[in-house]
Amino acid sequence: EVQLVQSGAEVKKPGESLKISCKGSGYSFTSYWIGWVRQMPGKGLEWMGIIYPGDSDTRYSPSFQGQVTISADKSISTAYLQWSSLKASDTAMYYCARGVITGTTHWFDPWGQGTLVTVSS
Amino acid sequence: SYVLTQPPSVSVAPGKTARITCGGNNIGSKSVHWYQQKPGQAPVLVIYYDSDRPSGIPERFSGSNSGNTATLTISRVEAGDEADYYCQVWDSSSDLHVVFGGGTKLTVL
Repeated sequence: EVQLVQSGAEVKKPGESLKISCKGSGYSFTSYWIGWVRQMPGKGLEWMGIIYPGDSDTRYSPSFQGQVTISADKSISTAYLQWSSLKASDTAMYYCARGVITGTTHWFDPWGQGTLVTVSS
Repeated sequence: SYVLTQPPSVSVAPGKTARITCGGNNIGSKSVHWYQQKPGQAPVLVIYYDSDRPSGIPERFSGSNSGNTATLTISRVEAGDEADYYCQVWDSSSDLHVVFGGGTKLTVL
């Protein structure tokens, strides 16, 4: 079974750093992209960026470029999303998802269970 | 950047057919994918490549795409279909950029 398991909920203060994880199993981790998606409370889905663990090729949404860092460790089939200095506005649920890319399109299946990040003083 | 427009809400009685639209400039030239998100759960892919269903998704779910509108159709709606639905495309004009619609809340009356 293809599965993505994310790290647990986090509560942080503004200015702190954070790294959350997404571990893939049941498929060749280095052969598929992993994307990250933000969902703020009561809001819709926002694409943040994507990484190809095979060669660490990484692309960011312009909205998130410079705000977060996406990385992967293929030796342990794990992708990461990290912040160097959190803000209250980073409070959200963050999902990872396996990206299926063909020559003409790109979709996500399956998704991780989500990691809730709360930033509050 | 490319914009996808969905109605905020759609309501339907059990057993009837629900149609959720996703509008975009010449969206018919792109492949559209649809996700279902139930409260407190992660999104689930229900339609890809405009009209293909992943394994495990009921045949009641179907999709179409033409001109400036893509449509997710749910036949014989059940109470368990109540959820938020999001459309998604790949904006090939930018670097592997993914675009989501704003989402539609499906209410089963």
